[in-house]
Amino acid sequence: DVKVTQSSRYLVKRTGEKVFLECVQDMDHENMFWYRQDPGLGLRLIYFSYDVKMKEKGDIPEGYSVSREKKERFSLILESASTNQTSMYLCASSPLRLGVLTEAFFGQGTRLTVV
Amino acid sequence: AQSVTQLDSQVPVFEEAPVELRCNYSSSVSVYLFWYVQYPNQGLQLLLKYLSGSTLVKGINGFEAEFNKSQTSFHLRKPSVHISDTAEYFCAVSESGDDKIIFGKGTRLHILP
Repeated sequence: DVKVTQSSRYLVKRTGEKVFLECVQDMDHENMFWYRQDPGLGLRLIYFSYDVKMKEKGDIPEGYSVSREKKERFSLILESASTNQTSMYLCASSPLRLGVLTEAFFGQGTRLTVV
Repeated sequence: AQSVTQLDSQVPVFEEAPVELRCNYSSSVSVYLFWYVQYPNQGLQLLLKYLSGSTLVKGINGFEAEFNKSQTSFHLRKPSVHISDTAEYFCAVSESGDDKIIFGKGTRLHILP
């Protein structure tokens, strides 16, 4: 089975802190994604990466950055956490297109609270 | 750019009754379509997907969906729901040649006894 592991299920951070959310996948997938999930807003794409050191902005990149130094690991960075970044963060991975994108596999999520 | 609209934020339905969860998408190119389910306090799990071929797609737990290109829809159906189907359901789209997957806002399915 594909496994996407997020380093923490719950995090509490203070306003202004630099926060790192880590995600590791074990299936050698090229694509990795970070979403945030908020009630009534569904999943919104923050960033995605299609290869090591490659990234593209999603729909809501402001206040976030990402790092992908190794294929299996994709980190989301909140440069200076703010209370409006309190949310559930979901990491996903998917195989590179071979003409077809098959599906995305999700981690269990990290619930981040910024106080 | 692609987008997804889930027309109902919540759908109540009696146990053993049929249900349809609606999804419309917007795209100017070929698309791949997905339905995911999120049970309470769990991650997202793939229910079914349309990549090509037959427009009627069958998934897990008795769900199916039909791709309608002319109406740009991908509605999810189940002929008889069970209390265990209580969850939030997300429709998602990816455009051919683009590996982004864009999700709708979700539909909460409430099963009434």
